Amino acid sequence: DAGITQSPRHKVTETGTPVTLRCHQTENHRYMYWYRQDPGHGLRLIHYSYGVKDTDKGEVSDGYSVSRSKTEDFLLTLESATSSQTSVYFCAIKHGDNNSPLHFGNGTRLTVT
Amino acid sequence: TQLLEQSPQFLSIQEGENLTVYCNSSSVFSSLQWYRQEPGEGPVLLVTVVTGGEVKKLKRLTFQFGDARKDSSLHITAAQPGDTGLYLCAGIQGAQKLVFGQGTRLTINP
Repeated sequence: DAGITQSPRHKVTETGTPVTLRCHQTENHRYMYWYRQDPGHGLRLIHYSYGVKDTDKGEVSDGYSVSRSKTEDFLLTLESATSSQTSVYFCAIKHGDNNSPLHFGNGTRLTVT
Repeated sequence: TQLLEQSPQFLSIQEGENLTVYCNSSSVFSSLQWYRQEPGEGPVLLVTVVTGGEVKKLKRLTFQFGDARKDSSLHITAAQPGDTGLYLCAGIQGAQKLVFGQGTRLTINP
């Protein structure tokens, strides 16, 4: 691992409840990302951050919000979880160089019942 | 619609055979990356291709970036069971935004 931790690793929640997933890095990388992974869709970008308090939307941002108040933490919030948000969520970090790789956490499996 | 289309999405072959996975787009990318993912883990980078027409080799894996920088391929020679996994291509858009293909789930049977 490149010093990236996701919590929790697993969560089951009910429809309509708020959920926050946490991504913590110890690498001091500028860029942080949240993806969701579903069968047949690969990884789809939800939101990403290019610095403290600087975030932007990805391709599937509806129903999700993010916050980055410190370099090391990037939070993903589902304000009111829906069954369509059942997925595996991956956080990733990236150094600033254009062609540097993404380093991923081990994922959070979220089930919305 | 997916910005990056991978094919095939599933591939099951016998040990020792060769295979090619494709990653295609109508968009131009400054670079493309290939990742491999094991069950229960996040993807791990295999290679980055930057220049149109570039070919990179990683042991039995050969990666090629199309001349127009819209497509890429991954060729595996003499596949082994250890090559089994999910292979993902990713293109860099604009300022550090990476988009992924759907992935190719590869199974190598002994």
